[in-house]
Amino acid sequence: EDQVTQSPEALRLQEGESSSLNCSYTVSGLRGLFWYRQDPGKGPEFLFTLYSAGEEKEKERLKATLTKKESFLHITAPKPEDSATYLCAVGSGTGTASKLTFGTGTRLQVTL
Amino acid sequence: ETGVTQSPTHLIKTRGQQVTLRCSSQSGHNTVSWYQQALGQGPQFIFQYYREEENGRGNFPPRFSGLQFPNYSSELNVNALELDDSALYLCASSLGPSGYGYTFGSGTRLTVV
Repeated sequence: EDQVTQSPEALRLQEGESSSLNCSYTVSGLRGLFWYRQDPGKGPEFLFTLYSAGEEKEKERLKATLTKKESFLHITAPKPEDSATYLCAVGSGTGTASKLTFGTGTRLQVTL
Repeated sequence: ETGVTQSPTHLIKTRGQQVTLRCSSQSGHNTVSWYQQALGQGPQFIFQYYREEENGRGNFPPRFSGLQFPNYSSELNVNALELDDSALYLCASSLGPSGYGYTFGSGTRLTVV
């Protein structure tokens, strides 16, 4: 059974204080490691997909990295508008079918 | 390019009733997947529809069922509602069942009383 564990559950940062969110996973046949941002009452917003160990992707203040067992979302010099829940998910499936298995997320609050 | 749209946005139902939630996929996307997100939890996979047929299912009972129409839109039906069915129901569309371009809608908040 695919499993995703995210840590910490909650993180409070001051504006400009860089940090990293962790996502550890076990999966049979990885079809991508996904990072999403979710604001309260909204659907997840796509950030990144990583497919192989060693891969890195960046977008503004966010950088995602992938190893064989973990992924990290690095947040550099965060701003209050980065406050949200960050979800990690692994893609898997058999044949043509696919699904995402999500972790419970990290709630990030960035204060002035 | 239109995104994924879901209706209604909010719904209150009584235990034992039936509910239908609707999803219009993003333009060009032919596959729809449904997820249930309980408060404080990550989304859980319910099922995927491709070519108007169920193409994979998570650990949900048969009272959760779905449909996909020729225009790729989809419905999620839940019979005999239980209090634990209260959640945010998310629809995601993609270009093909492999999940390329996975895009989520804003969800339907279902409350069962």
